[in-house]
Amino acid sequence: EPEVTQTPSHQVTQMGQEVILRCVPISNHLYFYWYRQILGQKVEFLVSFYNNEISEKSEIFDDQFSVERPDGSNFTLKIRSTKLEDSAMYFCASWVVRDSYEQYFGPGTRLTVT
Amino acid sequence: GEDVEQSLFLSVREGDSSVINCTYTDSSSTYLYWYKQEPGAGLQLLTYIFSNMDMKQDQRLTVLLNKKDKHLSLRIADTQTGDSAIYFCAESMDSGNTPLVFGKGTRLSVIA
Repeated sequence: EPEVTQTPSHQVTQMGQEVILRCVPISNHLYFYWYRQILGQKVEFLVSFYNNEISEKSEIFDDQFSVERPDGSNFTLKIRSTKLEDSAMYFCASWVVRDSYEQYFGPGTRLTVT
Repeated sequence: GEDVEQSLFLSVREGDSSVINCTYTDSSSTYLYWYKQEPGAGLQLLTYIFSNMDMKQDQRLTVLLNKKDKHLSLRIADTQTGDSAIYFCAESMDSGNTPLVFGKGTRLSVIA
């Protein structure tokens, strides 16, 4: 069964460093998302991406964040200068667009900022 | 803003039924979802219900929706140890192109 994959599974970084989280959505999917979950809190929407541009973003997704689809398969989330409060589980999701109500989620990347 | 609330923990004995409850605030929610997260895995969609439905059954899973009270429940019949996981309630106003709003998740523990 096709699945969304994410790398790395765990990333440890120092405050102020840049990180790039990678996702490979399901191949025929067209809509992509990033969500995050701070430990003990809710899963929160960050950004959605369609047709090579941001479709929607939340208040959390400030200038420190950016997304890119550098090639036909990868979808990345960059955090330019990490803060302690960026420590969270980051989930990538994708949606095929037609005839489906399911956003397929990846296993997540746990980001720890020290 | 939109909010989804669920109790954090539920413990049941193997073979019993589990009922996980969720309340939401946005009356314009069109789609309501239940996701399951096993340790180390992503969020797996278990089932969803449209807001114009009261009930949906899928094998051991029964979803009940009380739109007046904005209350959603997931019943798992004959709960097995493999059902131990975190269950997330989520809502959205549209099908796939609007963000999901999640609850904090209910950790279901099944005792053998």
